[in-house]
Formats: sequence, structure tokens, C-alpha cells
Amino acid sequence: EAQVTQNPRYLITVTGKKLTVTCSQNMNHEYMSWYRQDPGLGLRQIYYSMNVEVTDKGDVPEGYKVSRKEKRNFPLILESPSPNQTSLYFCASSFTGTLYTQYFGPGTRLTVL
Amino acid sequence: RKEVEQDPGPFNVPEGATVAFNCTYSNSASQSFFWYRQDCRKEPKLLMSVYSSGNEDGRFTAQLNRASQYISLLIRDSKLSDSATYLCVVILGSGNTGKLIFGQGTTLQVKP
Repeated sequence: EAQVTQNPRYLITVTGKKLTVTCSQNMNHEYMSWYRQDPGLGLRQIYYSMNVEVTDKGDVPEGYKVSRKEKRNFPLILESPSPNQTSLYFCASSFTGTLYTQYFGPGTRLTVL
Repeated sequence: RKEVEQDPGPFNVPEGATVAFNCTYSNSASQSFFWYRQDCRKEPKLLMSVYSSGNEDGRFTAQLNRASQYISLLIRDSKLSDSATYLCVVILGSGNTGKLIFGQGTTLQVKP
């Protein structure tokens, strides 16, 4: 089944404790992206990657890191999480020729205390 | 000013009603426009593309007004299952720049 998976789905952590949210897709998509969704602010792009070893900042990259060592994986790293990073995070992927058809993962709800 | 703005609603309408949402964008270089649907904090899914000539898919019609820099979504004969949040999406620039801008979404509640 074609899908985007994210782990963990739910996470409660404390300020300053490094964490990684994994994202994996099995559709051979070149493009992958991370978003956060907050009430009243909608979906905001954190980072995106047009292909392996190519990453770019989105609108809200501060406090986040990403890497794209393999085509299928695009982990999101929070080196020192803070409470303002409490949010619902979505990973998405697509072919670069059809960016409008983003396939989203199920979301990761992160709470930073 | 936000790059993409939507009226968050909620829009409460009875079954069978016609409802329309607008979405304005600020960057005149925006090239591609789409509507996504999101159910109750689940992942967003592509609903339809928006073309300059308009786009119709069953009860749904999407239109683009470049002069006024807005896109619209019209839903006719609303069903209970149409209750969701509708997100407009703009891809900036020409070609595949990779940068997608989402509006904050408009919530629709269709009542029996």
C-alpha cells in the first residue's frame, strides 16, 4: 500500500531533550516536506527536500533540523525542544513534477513541557 | 499581511445549501493554486486544482481571479459528509520551487 508513515504518532517530552520524528514513504517520491499545524495559523512549512541530499528552509525552520540521506526517509530533528514547538506535525511527499498532489502522513502530535 | 488568507469560519449551513469560500493571496508571482480538504485533524488530502478557466468536479467548482488575486471554492447541494476544513494552497513562483503556502483553512459544518 502506497503510504507515508510517521513515528511516533504521539509524544510528550520535556524542554531540551533532543528528539527525532521519522518520516518514510514507499512511493519513490523525490519531494518530501515537513509542516506544523497550529490553531489559527494553519499549516506552515518547516523544511522541504527536492531530492536526496537537497534540503531547503520553509517558512518556520528555526529550532528544527532535517536530513535526506535516502530517498524514502526525511527525519525531523528537534535538538533542544521548547514549549512553543508543541504542535501537530505532518510529513508529506510527492513527485517534483506534481507538487500539488502532496501525500500526507497521519501526523505526529508533540507536546513539549 | 499573510501570503494566503482564508476566512476561518465556521460556516454552518443546512444540507442542500450552496456555500462558497474565498481565499486571497498576496504574491502576484503565484502560479499554481489548489484546494485541500482536512477532516477533523487528520491529514489533508487534495480536493481539486484551480485553473484560470475554472474547474468543476461534480458538486464542486473552483475558480481563479488573477486580477483580484483570489481563488474560490463553491459547493452545491451540501452533504453532511462535506463537513471538514478546506485549505487553499498556493505554489509560489514558476516551475517547481518546492514552496507550498497553505491558508489557515475554512471550516464547514453541514447540519441535517
